[in-house]
Amino acid sequence: EDQVTQSPEALRLQEGESSSLNCSYTVSGLRGLFWYRQDPGKGPEFLFTLYSAGEEKEKERLKATLTKKESFLHITAPKPEDSATYLCAVQPQFTGANNLFFGTGTRLTVIP
Amino acid sequence: DTEVTQTPKHLVMGMTNKKSLKCEQHMGHRAMYWYKQKAKKPPELMFVYSYEKLSINESVPSRFSPECPNSSLLNLHLHALQPEDSALYLCASSQDPSRNTGNQPQHFGDGTRLSIL
Repeated sequence: EDQVTQSPEALRLQEGESSSLNCSYTVSGLRGLFWYRQDPGKGPEFLFTLYSAGEEKEKERLKATLTKKESFLHITAPKPEDSATYLCAVQPQFTGANNLFFGTGTRLTVIP
Repeated sequence: DTEVTQTPKHLVMGMTNKKSLKCEQHMGHRAMYWYKQKAKKPPELMFVYSYEKLSINESVPSRFSPECPNSSLLNLHLHALQPEDSALYLCASSQDPSRNTGNQPQHFGDGTRLSIL
């Protein structure tokens, strides 16, 4: 059964304190893994797509990495404006091309 | 600002009302989606339209009726909803829905916050 698990559920960081968010997945073949950021009352904002193990993507203070079993979202020297819920979603290889399975997210709070 | 526009932003309706949610995108995307999201939960897929045809219905109750009038527009018609249907309803779109060219990211609107009295 396809499954996505994110940890921790919530994370509080001091401004400038780097950390990582984890997304573990079990799918019957991975077509793609996606990271989104969601602010309260808003829709998810697309951040990264990762396709294969060993791949890395960067954007400002965020860096996403992928292995065969999990993905990490590394946040370097976070700022208060990085506070949001970060969602991981996987697109399995052998189900419908449009299906996305979301994890339950990590709520990140960055304290000034 | 998101490139997927949803209206209205907020909607309060009684259980006997009929209303519609609207979604529009001008990115040339050919797949469009409706999701339901409850507080502190991830989005749950409801419907997928691929080239204006309904391709996925995730066993959604018939009180939700989707419609795709053209490649840029997606509607969700609501009738006789229940209090448990109160949620954020998200629309998304992606580029090419064909099975062989998957892993296209979905782009989301900011949703309609629906409250059922």
